[in-house]
Amino acid sequence: DSGVTQTPKHLITATGQRVTLRCSPRSGDLSVYWYQQSLDQGLQFLIQYYNGEERAKGNILERFSAQQFPDLHSELNLSSLELGDSALYFCASSVGGGLAAYNEQFFGPGTRLTVL
Amino acid sequence: ELKVEQNPLFLSMQEGKNYTIYCNYSTTSDRLYWYRQDPGKSLESLFVLLSNGAVKQEGRLMASLDTKARLSTLHITAAVHDLSATYFCAVDLRGATNKLIFGTGTLLAVQP
Repeated sequence: DSGVTQTPKHLITATGQRVTLRCSPRSGDLSVYWYQQSLDQGLQFLIQYYNGEERAKGNILERFSAQQFPDLHSELNLSSLELGDSALYFCASSVGGGLAAYNEQFFGPGTRLTVL
Repeated sequence: ELKVEQNPLFLSMQEGKNYTIYCNYSTTSDRLYWYRQDPGKSLESLFVLLSNGAVKQEGRLMASLDTKARLSTLHITAAVHDLSATYFCAVDLRGATNKLIFGTGTLLAVQP
């Protein structure tokens, strides 16, 4: 158990809908990262927040957005869902957010999203 | 754009044999991570390699980093069935973020 929690574990929804995925980082970690894992795209970085502020963006669609709240938990919002959005979404956390020696990332159990 | 390539993509090996997974990346970095993923599960951190020439070992797995060649290897010694999983390498781009760029993954199947 990495200490990172994600809810829900599974989510089944229909095309065109909107969902919210939630992540709570390990105690003391300030950075939250979101990754998408799919068969055709592999593991892709989506977005990073550090202490409430967006730090980096990756291949995140405009239909997707995220935020990190004052208690450091993060939410990933996916809207106008398409079949191709079906994937495993991981959240990871680390102590720092960059400009450091290194920041080992610890991954949550993931949310499996199925869009029908 | 940074590319991280692993080979092989699939590796079927017998118990007791040795093999090496290769991870090549296309830009300068001296921070590389290896993760293990069991089917449908999360990613488990295996090794953190932070400098040229770094070598880490845990049980039957040993990882190394050659930053000049932009190459990391994960060596498996005397494989056992429990090592069956998908192994990912990931490169940390440093700078203002520590986002990870993952390799394609190597699916390892150890046959009894």
